[in-house]
Amino acid sequence: EAEVAQSPRYKITEKSQAVAFWCDPISGHATLYWYRQILGQGPELLVQFQDESVVDDSQLPKDRFSAERLKGVDSTLKIQPAELGDSAMYLCASSLARGSFTGELFFGEGSRLTVL
Amino acid sequence: AQSVTQPDIHITVSEGASLELRCNYSYGATPYLFWYVQSPGQGLQLLLKYFSGDTLVQGIKGFEAEFKRSQSSFNLRKPSVHWSDAAEYFCAVGGGTSYGKLTFGQGTILTVHP
Repeated sequence: EAEVAQSPRYKITEKSQAVAFWCDPISGHATLYWYRQILGQGPELLVQFQDESVVDDSQLPKDRFSAERLKGVDSTLKIQPAELGDSAMYLCASSLARGSFTGELFFGEGSRLTVL
Repeated sequence: AQSVTQPDIHITVSEGASLELRCNYSYGATPYLFWYVQSPGQGLQLLLKYFSGDTLVQGIKGFEAEFKRSQSSFNLRKPSVHWSDAAEYFCAVGGGTSYGKLTFGQGTILTVHP
């Protein structure tokens, strides 16, 4: 069964350092999402791509976060510099949707970030 | 703006007992509603979804949910809980104009006692 791949699974870093997360969606999925899940809360959308274009990054802290999906396939989420409050699970998801919402999001297992 | 409220942070039930997890949503148009389950340290898995039609929807693992427009609710139910159902459950709302953006509730942790 096809899955969304994420790496690394766990990352510990010190504040002010740079960190990057990688996601490879299910093949053929046009839409890719990065969600942040703080412990004890539900996932919150950071950025959404349709192919290589950003369609929603309204909740992305753009002073320190950046995301790209250069060829419309895999994606990288970067944080620089990391802050203590960035400690969270970063979830990547993908869906077949292109232009309209069609249904299920498929989630990866997430990347757990701890900032010391 | 769309939002989801899950009033119960933590629910404990005995194995074999029935289960109902509450979800209330706010959405300006016809909502698409979802329940996801998350095991510790894992990603989210879709249990069921409602787009239109029959307001009682069936999902995987014996779960069902009922959409009640008048109450803005989409409660999740299971007639007999198994120990393996222990996990965190998230209700989410989205819509056709939001390009697939889902807004999640804060989650309900389910503990199952033997």
